[in-house]
Amino acid sequence: NAGVMQNPRHLVRRRGQEARLRCSPMKGHSHVYWYRQLPEEGLKFMVYLQKENIIDESGMPKERFSAEFPKEGPSILRIQQVVRGDSAAYFCASSSSPQGTYGYTFGSGTRLTVV
Amino acid sequence: TQLLEQSPQFLSIQEGENLTVYCNSSSVFSSLQWYRQEPGEGPVLLVTVVTGGEVKKLKRLTFQFGDARKDSSLHITAAQTGDTGLYLCAGEGRERNYKLTFGKGTLLTVNP
Repeated sequence: NAGVMQNPRHLVRRRGQEARLRCSPMKGHSHVYWYRQLPEEGLKFMVYLQKENIIDESGMPKERFSAEFPKEGPSILRIQQVVRGDSAAYFCASSSSPQGTYGYTFGSGTRLTVV
Repeated sequence: TQLLEQSPQFLSIQEGENLTVYCNSSSVFSSLQWYRQEPGEGPVLLVTVVTGGEVKKLKRLTFQFGDARKDSSLHITAAQTGDTGLYLCAGEGRERNYKLTFGKGTLLTVNP
């Protein structure tokens, strides 16, 4: 009974390159959330997706960042033309319903380092 | 904007001691969740409190939700080295209830 799977665990990109972060939700979960954790900061909400739909992307920077959750396959968080300030840990969580009341299952995260 | 303040930011204690960490806000939350995060890993849910005044116990951990649902505390009895980690509280907003607001956490170190 696998949990939320994220890959890669660590990703190093040079400034200007693209970063692609993948998240496979728990089996049976159709709601996916991405959070970003900067050093010395709490986790910040980025985007909430359901299969083939972006429900709320209010926490995601308007430029260079995009997210998708296709009908088949994992959810992808894409960061184009990365800059040093994008260095952070990116966590994905999933749930079987959209309500946060009972908590989320988080993946182990992808640690992005931009050099 | 809803904010959650956690205190203390850092806490270092000896094994066997008791401790309490706090999570405070000026906003009302529908529920509050506590997570523990270990280095290099994602947050792991410990408990969710929903009702004002609610107290939940998880072995040596006791969680309380304030009567006004603006604050919460986590008390650990007889701390063990395995309790070491970053303790995060997260609030579920009254609107957009899928969106959690996280505090910055309390980094607890339990020394043998």
